[in-house]
Amino acid sequence: DAGITQSPRHKVTETGTPVTLRCHQTENHRYMYWYRQDPGHGLRLIHYSYGVKDTDKGEVSDGYSVSRSKTEDFLLTLESATSSQTSVYFCAISEAGGNTGELFFGEGSRLTVL
Amino acid sequence: RKEVEQDPGPFNVPEGATVAFNCTYSNSASQSFFWYRQDCRKEPKLLMSVYSSGNEDGRFTAQLNRASQYISLLIRDSKLSDSATYLCVVIDLSSGTYKYIFGTGTRLKVLA
Repeated sequence: DAGITQSPRHKVTETGTPVTLRCHQTENHRYMYWYRQDPGHGLRLIHYSYGVKDTDKGEVSDGYSVSRSKTEDFLLTLESATSSQTSVYFCAISEAGGNTGELFFGEGSRLTVL
Repeated sequence: RKEVEQDPGPFNVPEGATVAFNCTYSNSASQSFFWYRQDCRKEPKLLMSVYSSGNEDGRFTAQLNRASQYISLLIRDSKLSDSATYLCVVIDLSSGTYKYIFGTGTRLKVLA
């Protein structure tokens, strides 16, 4: 299994509080991604990174920010959590650049915003 | 309109049946295509890549039709263990970086 861990795995928080999810990899892969998964919507890309300090928005980036100060860590921050951000968040990594296409996922972080 | 679309199902099929899923994508610049499998409450995992000439891996066959912008997955001789959600994935390279875009997934339930 790819060395990718997410923390925390479960979090319950209140509306308006800041939340940071961490993704840590030991594979030295260039690309890192944050997705959220909701019933009826599948996996939707929030933000992704293609190198240290290089990030870009996905399809549902509003209300989220990210940072990548070193290769192994990609942080997702909800500055002021809302109930609509209750979801399962998956981090994924990829070396990309080829046709293997393998995205390796973390086990997910379940966030509940009350 | 979503960039990658799939019929959410569920597809309920008996053991031993053949089942096919389709997926359509809207970005004609999409370069690479894949099928991922996701078990309930687990992370997605790569099932197979999809090549222009079509490719097979055991009971699984994937096809790509670039002209019509759709991808298909055929599962023969379905097993109970094939019950899962199958996710169509496309790489969007329009920004010059690798964005993996997922369909909503098609749920398969194989019945004994």
